[in-house]
Amino acid sequence: QSVLTQPPSTSGTPGQRVTISCSGSSSNIGSNYVYWYQQLPGTAPKLLIYRNNQRPSGVPDRFSGSKSGTSASLAISGLRSEDEADYYCAACDDSLSNVVFGGGTNLTVL
Amino acid sequence: QLQLQESGPGLVKPSETLSLTCTVSAGSISSSSYYWGWIRQPPGKGLEWIGSIYYSGSTYYNPALKSRVTISVDTSKNQFSLRLSSVTVADTAVYYCARQVAMPTSEPFDIWGQGTMVTVSS
Repeated sequence: QSVLTQPPSTSGTPGQRVTISCSGSSSNIGSNYVYWYQQLPGTAPKLLIYRNNQRPSGVPDRFSGSKSGTSASLAISGLRSEDEADYYCAACDDSLSNVVFGGGTNLTVL
Repeated sequence: QLQLQESGPGLVKPSETLSLTCTVSAGSISSSSYYWGWIRQPPGKGLEWIGSIYYSGSTYYNPALKSRVTISVDTSKNQFSLRLSSVTVADTAVYYCARQVAMPTSEPFDIWGQGTMVTVSS
């Protein structure tokens, strides 16, 4: 049971916009930055979004992040086949004094 | 560009101690702006934070693993290490080392190693 809650799976067609939610509490998302990672099959997680809505250099602007209260979302617009991957949210948790992750969302591009 | 590389045995026997080292290149492990951490991912499952260490030696462990985990740092070699004792098959996973933002606030991991698979089996 992960501290942050994500839907196990989602899907979309090429060109479509999809969103992935991440729900937490006041001790993690509510008071700290949210990060998002993309994990392609057989590879290490790659930072996609940091500090709620910032993109590292090289990440396409099709990827965007937002946060409101104790929830966060990752949006992917103009969906492409290469976006098919697992996506994880993460945040620090003040009460647990550690980093907590969501359970991951598997994105399928139909 | 800073890189992290995990190394260590890929097979560990039950009840023994798992030991891994992460070598940091193209950057200093002694930076005051970062922690250095370990994360694992069992086959087909999600990510689990194991623990993190500051260059000074201060450590932070996942409460669920705290009794079995030791993380240490060797600034002279630009390396940090993980020891997990009394392993069982449930500790079989890909183990990642990663850099964690520490300043001005604690944040999750921004740079990851490629990961190393560790299997616990007799």
